[in-house]
Amino acid sequence: AQSVTQLDSQVPVFEEAPVELRCNYSSSVSVYLFWYVQYPNQGLQLLLKYLSGSTLVKGINGFEAEFNKSQTSFHLRKPSVHISDTAEYFCAAWNYGGATNKLIFGTGTLLAVQP
Amino acid sequence: ETGVTQTPRHLVMGMTNKKSLKCEQHLGHNAMYWYKQSAKKPLELMFVYSLEERVENNSVPSRFSPECPNSSHLFLHLHTLQPEDSALYLCASSQATGGHTEAFFGQGTRLTVV
Repeated sequence: AQSVTQLDSQVPVFEEAPVELRCNYSSSVSVYLFWYVQYPNQGLQLLLKYLSGSTLVKGINGFEAEFNKSQTSFHLRKPSVHISDTAEYFCAAWNYGGATNKLIFGTGTLLAVQP
Repeated sequence: ETGVTQTPRHLVMGMTNKKSLKCEQHLGHNAMYWYKQSAKKPLELMFVYSLEERVENNSVPSRFSPECPNSSHLFLHLHTLQPEDSALYLCASSQATGGHTEAFFGQGTRLTVV
């Protein structure tokens, strides 16, 4: 199946602790990969993207992600989270084929930062 | 502010009503999308327009009717909806479909069907 998988539906973490949100993609989607963040009652905002080149990409708000082709993963990390990072995070990839290319999303991971 | 504006932000409608959602982008993008986001479900791609032509209709019921009059505007016309259609409807745009391009999203319209 052509998919993006986020295994963790919710990740609770204490403030200032490190966090990793996992994303795996199927080999049939493109390796143009994205992480988006959605705050309550808002649209999706791009955090970072991997298009080519260095496998470690840095994004906004101190987040970074590492592209790992052998493990078909694109995990998102932050060394020290803040309360304000509480939001839902979506991994996405372009899926080629069919009538047109489509940007497909994982099911999302709710990052719940606790004081 | 992402450059993609959706109106209204909230909409409550009865099952017999007709309403429209509006999306506007001034980013010079050539592709526009409607997504549906329901609670506890993945984002569902509904429609894709590229250069004002509908290129994808993801088996969406006919009670949802999209319209793209020009490259900057996208509408979603709604009629005789069901309560299960209540969701957050997100509009997005991108320079192209695929490749080195990211999608920019609007704030969404929270639709409640009563």
